[in-house]
Amino acid sequence: KAGVTQTPRYLIKTRGQQVTLSCSPISGHRSVSWYQQTPGQGLQFLFEYFSETQRNKGNFPGRFSGRQFSNSRSEMNVSTLELGDSALYLCASRGSMFNSPLHFGNGTRLTVT
Amino acid sequence: GQQLNQSPQSMFIQEGEDVSMNCTSSSIFNTWLWYKQDPGEGPVLLIALYKAGELTSNGRLTAQFGITRKDSFLNISASIPSDVGIYFCAGPHLTQGGSEKLVFGKGTKLTVNP
Repeated sequence: KAGVTQTPRYLIKTRGQQVTLSCSPISGHRSVSWYQQTPGQGLQFLFEYFSETQRNKGNFPGRFSGRQFSNSRSEMNVSTLELGDSALYLCASRGSMFNSPLHFGNGTRLTVT
Repeated sequence: GQQLNQSPQSMFIQEGEDVSMNCTSSSIFNTWLWYKQDPGEGPVLLIALYKAGELTSNGRLTAQFGITRKDSFLNISASIPSDVGIYFCAGPHLTQGGSEKLVFGKGTKLTVNP
């Protein structure tokens, strides 16, 4: 089974721009979560999607948004980029069984200059 | 919200030594997870614990779910250079809406000197 795939691996953007990151979950997984990882704050939960609906949301400003498609693939968008948005953005998927753990992709490294 | 306190923050050890790290919470968790992250990659699940008192092994790794359900330990025996990385504990936090999100400790960075 292929793992969670995230594209692109690296991105460099300038302040004020917007960015879209993509995630393909493990086949059969319908839940996709996004996390932001920075050296100072660690892994912070952004949101979770299940069957094209946002099921859960973390404490991030409205500039951070996401969506999920009918094939469970997910995208997250960050508008009006700020320097502090530089981070590793991780996508994770999980199965439908109770207590299924999260499986992570290798992330997209976003640098905002 | 729930926070996980992970310690130590970093460890520098010699190859062959045993390693121990732990995670504590002010709240009860029903599941404890341990992940490892290599440089440039996403976290990979090492061990999942679902029952208080449970002791589970995965090769040289052993993890325990504390009896109080507020802590967990991860031990690595006879460390090797490829054990280098950042180890995270994690547990599910039930939100007001009834769904779950995973909260993570800040990680333990392990360096193994050959």
